[in-house]
Formats: sequence, structure tokens, C-alpha cells
Amino acid sequence: GQQVMQIPQYQHVQEGEDFTTYCNSSTTLSNIQWYKQRPGGHPVFLIQLVKSGEVKKQKRLTFQFGEAKKNSSLHITATQTTDVGTYFCAGPDNYGQNFVFGPGTRLSVLP
Amino acid sequence: SQTIHQWPATLVQPVGSPLSLECTVEGTSNPNLYWYRQAAGRGLQLLFYSVGIGQISSEVPQNLSASRPQDRQFILSSKKLLLSDSGFYLCAWMWRGPYNEQFFGPGTRLTVL
Repeated sequence: GQQVMQIPQYQHVQEGEDFTTYCNSSTTLSNIQWYKQRPGGHPVFLIQLVKSGEVKKQKRLTFQFGEAKKNSSLHITATQTTDVGTYFCAGPDNYGQNFVFGPGTRLSVLP
Repeated sequence: SQTIHQWPATLVQPVGSPLSLECTVEGTSNPNLYWYRQAAGRGLQLLFYSVGIGQISSEVPQNLSASRPQDRQFILSSKKLLLSDSGFYLCAWMWRGPYNEQFFGPGTRLTVL
């Protein structure tokens, strides 16, 4: 079945350093979504990418969708302690009714 | 605007006891509804989803069941809890179609002792 993988599983950075998480799908995706879950909280939608090679920015966050629409990345510039949490990518399944979530990348930011 | 409610927020139950978690959505109609479970420090495991009243699809065979008695109500149940049922249970809703985001409820943290 369809699989979505993410690396790394964990990332510890010093505040001010950059951070990148990578997402790979076993199948071509019509779109990919990114969610953030703060410790003890629930996942919150960040962004959706639809077009091949698309790049979107949200302040210090840069999201990219691969040309083949099978991979994506999230890059955070100059991390802050507020960036702490787990970042999930998700792609729709073949029927468009569900999203297959990656296992997430847990980011820790040391002050 | 739309809101999603889950209760209870936390629950401690003995092994072998029944379970009923409720999720309701306000401000939308005919949503897709989802139940996920998240073990501590882990990813999201899809348990059930529903595209309409009385329509339930199970993703993982186990001792849990789900029901959708009303359009905006989704219930997760178990007749006998296992230790392995402990986790963070998240309900989510989504407008139909693959280009829509999922909105998650606040979750229920279940501990089975």
C-alpha cells in the first residue's frame, strides 16, 4: 500500500540554527500537506502544496514539493523555541478520502 | 465557523472495561470524519473513517469499533479495553475531496491500567 516516510525521526538544534525535514511518498501525490503538533497538542494544518516544484513560504518556513510530486521538504530558518513540536507530512490516498501521514519529525530547539 | 469537540479530555480505565469516546463537529454538514490513535512519541494511526451516517471503514482490525449515528457525531467504542489501547485519540473532520485539510479535535488521552 501507499507509504509516506519522513526523515529524520528526531532533530535537536540550537536556537538560531536551521532545520529541514524530508518527506517521501511511495506513490505520486496530487498534493501534499504539512501539519505541526506542539507537545501535548493536536496536529494543526500548516500548508498544502499542489503543483510540481511548488515552493511556498510562511515567514521562516519554506515548503517545497518535488518535481515528480513524490517528495517534499520543510525548511525552517533560524529556529526559535516556538518551533518545537512534531512536523507531519500527509498525502491523499488513492481514493481521496483519507490522508496517509508520515511518522513525523520531532524537533527540539535548545535555547 | 467550524468547531470540533472531543470528550473526555483524559480518561483512566482498567483493563477489560468498556470505552466510549465522542466527537462532534459544528458548523459544517456531510463532513468526512476520522479517528486516529497516537502512541506516545509516535505518528498518527488511522483507526476508522466515515463518509456518511452509518458508513464506517476500518483501517486496523482490533477490539475497537466506531459508529456515526448522526451526521456530525462520531463515536469510538470498545467492549473490553486492553493495555495496548492506551494512547492519544484524535478525531478529525474534513470537507470531502483530496484537496482539503483535516481539522483535528483536542484529543482524548486514554490510559489503560
